[in-house]
Amino acid sequence: DGGITQSPKYLFRKEGQNVTLSCEQNLNHDAMYWYRQDPGQGLRLIYYSQIVNDFQKGDIAEGYSVSREKKESFPLTVTSAQKNPTAFYLCASSISSGGALDTQYFGPGTRLTVL
Amino acid sequence: GESVGLHLPTLSVQEGDNSIINCAYSNSASDYFIWYKQESGKGPQFIIDIRSNMDKRQGQRVTVLLNKTVKHLSLQIAATQPGDSAVYFCAEIPSGGTYKYIFGTGTRLKVLA
Repeated sequence: DGGITQSPKYLFRKEGQNVTLSCEQNLNHDAMYWYRQDPGQGLRLIYYSQIVNDFQKGDIAEGYSVSREKKESFPLTVTSAQKNPTAFYLCASSISSGGALDTQYFGPGTRLTVL
Repeated sequence: GESVGLHLPTLSVQEGDNSIINCAYSNSASDYFIWYKQESGKGPQFIIDIRSNMDKRQGQRVTVLLNKTVKHLSLQIAATQPGDSAVYFCAEIPSGGTYKYIFGTGTRLKVLA
């Protein structure tokens, strides 16, 4: 069963804690992305990675960190420096990010709530 | 459930009727457009795409129309079904950087039985 998986589906965090959201894909895609979704707003790009061991900041990277040690995995850490972390987090992947018309496909999302 | 759909414009359609969902895009240099469907609490699902050198593209029960003159994109769903109830949003991809999607805020489609 091919696709993108995210875990956990729901995550609760106390203020001051770091939490890590998992994203795994078995589509053999080179590029992976993290987005944040808030009510009434379009998706906003946090970080993206075009290839293993390389990643770039998106539009709202402050308070977040990522790693890309394996092609299949792109975990996102929400640090205590992120002032308003409660949101729905979406991971996506595409065959590459340099090819023309490269479609991004999304995982099921993780809902993070700060208590 | 997922609260991503709060405060979105809503289109209510009778089951069996056709639905038309609109999207205004911002960048005249965008050369690729995608429609996504997002059900409550789930990730967005690819529906259909269109390149800027096309005016129309048809899929199964869905048609996307592109009007570059007024920078407008529409999604038509034929014979709307209850399973079509979701938030629909468009994405535009400017030329020169395919990672840099620009997402619309979305429209909630409610199918009335």
